[in-house]
Amino acid sequence: GAGVSQSPRYKVAKRGQDVALRCDPISGHVSLFWYQQALGQGPEFLTYFQNEAQLDKSGLPSDRFFAERPEGSVSTLKIQRTQQEDSAVYLCASSLIRTHHEQYFGPGTRLTVT
Amino acid sequence: DQQVKQNSPSLSVQEGRISILNCDYTNSMFDYFLWYKKYPAEGPTFLISISSIKDKNEDGRFTVFLNKSAKHLSLHIVPSQPGDSAVYFCAASERGSTLGRLYFGRGTQLTVWP
Repeated sequence: GAGVSQSPRYKVAKRGQDVALRCDPISGHVSLFWYQQALGQGPEFLTYFQNEAQLDKSGLPSDRFFAERPEGSVSTLKIQRTQQEDSAVYLCASSLIRTHHEQYFGPGTRLTVT
Repeated sequence: DQQVKQNSPSLSVQEGRISILNCDYTNSMFDYFLWYKKYPAEGPTFLISISSIKDKNEDGRFTVFLNKSAKHLSLHIVPSQPGDSAVYFCAASERGSTLGRLYFGRGTQLTVWP
């Protein structure tokens, strides 16, 4: 079966632009996570969904970051008024609820803000 | 503040020898630990995990050891193969967490040479 897919794979945005990053989780996976990975760092948690409910958004760095998963499957991470410090790889992961530790990651979207 | 630390950014090992990757953590609430492997331009892939009720878990060439008193875990790969060359991330999850949020280290680049 298909794994987690993300689009676009690469995005270049001018400072101040809004961007939207998409994640298609594995079919049937209830849990969905977004992580941010800066260069030379490990992934850092941003937010978590269980079905359509956003249960934890404590990792979102500012109110410019917004995530949604309206129908409990596809999720979108939106960043408004992008800044240079937003440049990173944004990873999406999904898991079954009973094994939520073992998360399956997509390839990521590399965002470069110029 | 890094709660999961991988103090060696890189490790180089000859094919056939043992690779030992180390990880330390500071949060005593962590009770589940995972290792992920990452190739360039791909997302992390789950490799092996261990619960805090165990001190060892083995899967083929991969063994993870957990020393709770020292808050230390290690991943042993025996024998190492060139295809094992990748970045390895240590990750941890908090006790009682129903949300599955993972805390990652910065990763160790393993190079296995022929």
